[in-house]
Order: sequence, then C-alpha cells, then structure tokens
Amino acid sequence: GAGVSQSPSNKVTEKGKDVELRCDPISGHTALYWYRQSLGQGLEFLIYFQGNSAPDKSGLPSDRFSAERTGGSVSTLTIQRTQQEDSAVYLCASSLVLVTGELFFGEGSRLTVL
Amino acid sequence: KQEVTQIPAALSVPEGENLVLNCSFTDSAIYNLQWFRQDPGKGLTSLLLIQSSQREQTSGRLNASLDKSSGRSTLYIAASQPGDSATYLCAAYSGGGADGLTFGKGTHLIIQP
Repeated sequence: GAGVSQSPSNKVTEKGKDVELRCDPISGHTALYWYRQSLGQGLEFLIYFQGNSAPDKSGLPSDRFSAERTGGSVSTLTIQRTQQEDSAVYLCASSLVLVTGELFFGEGSRLTVL
Repeated sequence: KQEVTQIPAALSVPEGENLVLNCSFTDSAIYNLQWFRQDPGKGLTSLLLIQSSQREQTSGRLNASLDKSSGRSTLYIAASQPGDSATYLCAAYSGGGADGLTFGKGTHLIIQP
C-alpha cells in the first residue's frame, strides 16, 4: 500500500478482554516496529521485526503482550486480559532498512480499556 | 543509556517568524537522527533524516542540523505558517536493534495566525 495502515483506529474494550491490533506496512519494507504512546508521555518501544523474526521481545511490557508477523508483511499485536494501564495509542512503523532507514508511521490504534 | 531531550516542551510564535527547535542527546555515538511531526490524533510523519556523516539536511522551509560532538540537533523552520502547528519529535539511533532508537518527548509548536 501507499502508507502504513493500522486497524482498528479506535478500540474500546472491557478489562480482562483480549484485543488484536493489526499493522500493514509499506510494501517491500523488511523492518516493522511497534511503539506505545500514552497521554503526555513519549514513545515507548515495544518490539521490532526484521522479516518475520523478532530478535528481542524484552520491550514488551508483560507476558500478556505478544506479537507476530507473517509473510514478511502484516503484523498483529495481541494483548491478553487487558488492564486499564494498557490504554494508549499503539503505533506501528516500517522502514526499508532496519533503523538506519527512514521510518514511516501509521495513524495508530487508540485502545481504551474500561 | 541514550537520553534525548527536547526543550522547550511548548512554543507559541506569531505567523511568519523563523524559529528553531532544539534536540539534545547524551551519547554522541549515534548513527543517525530523525525529525518527525505529529498532528493531534495522528501518527508521526518523517520530516528529515540526518546520517552521522552529514551536518545538515534541507526540505523546503525546513533545515535540520546535526552536531554530534556537542550532542545537539536543531530544526529550523523558516517563515512559519499556522499549518506548521504540531508536535515535533526527534529520535536518535545509537545502534543495535530497534531499541537503539530513542525518541524525545517533543516540542508542541503553535503558530498564531
């Protein structure tokens, strides 16, 4: 596609439910990144993929968070048993080359946990 | 651990003024530095990417400079317009994986018509 696409753009869920956030990167971009942005806070790095591989998962906040990427393209970020502190905007970005290339961001998925 | 600071956190200027946004980083051994803008409720839009071997990059009314030795980058906006109102973030890449990319918290810029 022309840009990074994220869905849903907005998600309201009840505490304890599972949610899936989807990211469709720019075609041909091998690197994909997930960040979290809380109100008034900076960007918090969560995880990145080089191809389908996530070399380092230590940035994920807890074991309730998981992510996968298939076919070197679409990625999903799954949050199990959501908590109120998970409320934030989840941003996805992609780049042609890992980090040394220009990053292109999606519009984000705003998650609200009631 | 790399720390990126952007001062001021907020800035309001009249339309037409030239202005400078500042970004400082604690570890000068960076590979590149990137400037972004973020509009309310939107994602980040890349403005300029400066590699460590470069001193500056220009795009239209924007000019970004990089001084690794002093740990500073500046984003110069010429002839500011109300449409320039947004939050501007800088990010420094220190190597390793993607966790080596450190973002500042941004400068919230308002251009008064």
